[in-house]
Amino acid sequence: EVQLVESGGGLIQPGGSLRLSCAASGFTVSSNYMSWVRQAPGKGLEWVSVIYSGGSTYYADSVKGRFTISRDNSKNTLYLQMNSLRAEDTAVYYCARQYYDYVWGSYYFDYWGQGTLVTVSS
Amino acid sequence: EIVMTQSPATLSVSPGERATLSCRASQSVSSNLAWYQQKPGQAPRLLIYGASTRATGIPARFSGSGSGTEFTLTISSLQSEDFAVYYCQQYNNWYTFGQGTKLEIK
Repeated sequence: EVQLVESGGGLIQPGGSLRLSCAASGFTVSSNYMSWVRQAPGKGLEWVSVIYSGGSTYYADSVKGRFTISRDNSKNTLYLQMNSLRAEDTAVYYCARQYYDYVWGSYYFDYWGQGTLVTVSS
Repeated sequence: EIVMTQSPATLSVSPGERATLSCRASQSVSSNLAWYQQKPGQAPRLLIYGASTRATGIPARFSGSGSGTEFTLTISSLQSEDFAVYYCQQYNNWYTFGQGTKLEIK
C-alpha cells in the first residue's frame, strides 16, 4: 500500500528556515517524480516543486531561490528545505507522488500525504 | 502559466441529482487534466486523470470528459459523501490548479 507521511511543520518567524520531510512506503521515491503542493488557509492548491526520478529539480517562481527539494534514497524520504520564509508561505504542505500516464506520456498526481502545516508569523 | 478557471464557484444540488462541474484552460492542455476531491481537513483525492479515466477505486458515478481547453466532471447521482470541494489540474505544462468548485447540499 502506498503511503506518504509528512512531518516537520510548525510555527516559524519570518526570515526563518524549516525542513519538511515526507516518508514514503509501498513504493520507491527515487523511481518516481515527486512534488510538493501547498494550500494556504481557506485557499486553493499551488504546486511548489518537483524532483524527477533522474534528479532534476524545478520550482514555482514564488519559491525559487528560497526552497530546495531533495530526497534520501536510503530512507525513501522526500524533503523540502524552506529558507527566508515569508508570511505568504503559510500553508499546509502536501507531498505527492506523480505517476506516468502511458497513454498521454505525462505525469499526474496519484497519491498525496495528509499534509503538514507551516505557519510563518512573528 | 496556464490558468485554470472552474465554474461555478459553488454548486447547490440535492442528493440523488446530477452535478456538472466545468473547468477551462487558458490554452490547450490536450488531455492532461485531472480532477480531485477534497473534504475539510483532508488531502486531495484523485478522481480522474487523462481527462476521462477514473482512478483506482473511484465509483462509476464520477465521469470526466473534454480535451484541449474545455473539461467537465459529472457526478451522475449525488451521494452524501460527494459533497466536497473539487479541483481540476493541468499537468501538460508544469502544474496549475483551478480555484475549486464547492459542491454543497441543496
